[in-house]
Amino acid sequence: NAGVTQTPKFQVLKTGQSMTLQCAQDMNHNSMYWYRQDPGMGLRLIYYSASEGTTDKGEVPNGYNVSRLNKREFSLRLESAAPSQTSVYFCASRGQVEGNQPQHFGDGTRLSIL
Amino acid sequence: DQQVKQNSPSLSVQEGRISILNCDYTNSMFDYFLWYKKYPAEGPTFLISISSIKDKNEDGRFTVFLNKSAKHLSLHIVPSQPGDSAVYFCAASAKGGSEKLVFGKGTKLTVNP
Repeated sequence: NAGVTQTPKFQVLKTGQSMTLQCAQDMNHNSMYWYRQDPGMGLRLIYYSASEGTTDKGEVPNGYNVSRLNKREFSLRLESAAPSQTSVYFCASRGQVEGNQPQHFGDGTRLSIL
Repeated sequence: DQQVKQNSPSLSVQEGRISILNCDYTNSMFDYFLWYKKYPAEGPTFLISISSIKDKNEDGRFTVFLNKSAKHLSLHIVPSQPGDSAVYFCAASAKGGSEKLVFGKGTKLTVNP
């Protein structure tokens, strides 16, 4: 059971470089989410996709773009990386559209921007 | 403005005793509450949840209590085991909010043998 798979696991970028973080889920879930976690902080929502073909901003969307490529895949792009975007990024997915269901998380991408 | 607060950054308990982790929230629209456990270098793992129509939910050694009037929930772990040592996050979502989760900052639980 792969669940939610994130690639890469680690990445170091220079300021101004661009990068796409990949996320794929094999649970046939409708909704997918991108979070970031900074030291001493909880997870904060960057963007989410409630269903295939839709995306919406979360709490901290500035500096990021997303693409819901298909039902399985949801990518996060940093167009011009900044040191403030150094963080651990988590992707999550959730099953049914209505009703209470937990989100399931990948193991994260650790991103450092110099 | 922190909508979900975990005021204890850390908690240490002896193996076999009860661990009680607390969480407060401010948004009265929250109707679904979850606890996640997180080990270093791994993603959060869902532990237990509770809907606002209930005041208690139990799953093995884990019980979550919800006090809506106080806007407070707690996670009880009985008995605590060394493998329970992890960071525990409280999270909440509001009905009609596309199930977006708002997380607390986490409590690091250490269970000593």
